[in-house]
Amino acid sequence: AQTVTQSQPEMSVQEAETVTLSCTYDTSESDYYLFWYKQPPSRQMILVIRQEAYKQQNATENRFSVNFQKAAKSFSLKISDSQLGDAAMYFCAYWAGNNRKLIWGLGTSLAVNP
Amino acid sequence: NAGVTQTPKFQVLKTGQSMTLQCAQDMNHNSMYWYRQDPGMGLRLIYYSASEGTTDKGEVPNGYNVSRLNKREFSLRLESAAPSQTSVYFCASMELFLSYNEQFFGPGTRLTVL
Repeated sequence: AQTVTQSQPEMSVQEAETVTLSCTYDTSESDYYLFWYKQPPSRQMILVIRQEAYKQQNATENRFSVNFQKAAKSFSLKISDSQLGDAAMYFCAYWAGNNRKLIWGLGTSLAVNP
Repeated sequence: NAGVTQTPKFQVLKTGQSMTLQCAQDMNHNSMYWYRQDPGMGLRLIYYSASEGTTDKGEVPNGYNVSRLNKREFSLRLESAAPSQTSVYFCASMELFLSYNEQFFGPGTRLTVL
């Protein structure tokens, strides 16, 4: 069965510091997509970054980047220069076309300390 | 362009009452999804509709029914609400492959069943 595991229920970081959130997944597929979504206190789910499995280059979006290790089935999110607005729940998710649905991790709650 | 809209935003029901949560998207997406979110449980898929005219069960379909009214609208019905259905409900839509399988979310409905 395809699963997504986020082993850190809660994390904290000092403002302007860097933090890495972990995500591992289990799949026998070779072609799939991985996502990090952010859910701030407003509840709105926002896509932070995505990675296509066939791409070797790690995705980057401004202060957000991923470390995608396909062989290890690991997909961590690095947030650089953390800001107070980064405080949120972060969800890792996996998609393979044969499922027609996203598989979600349980989330990591990130606190940013001023 | 409103994206994904959900009504209502908040609802309180008594046990045994029925209600319908409405969802609409204006992005011409084929696929639509209903999730529930509970503390510590992440996002759990209730039902989804891969295309107009089709619906499929997700992880937690019991106690719910859905209708894909047309391409834009996907409603979720609780026929006889139970306290265990107290949750935040999210609707999402996506277009397979054209948007790299990104799901776009509505703002959520907070439902309390007394």
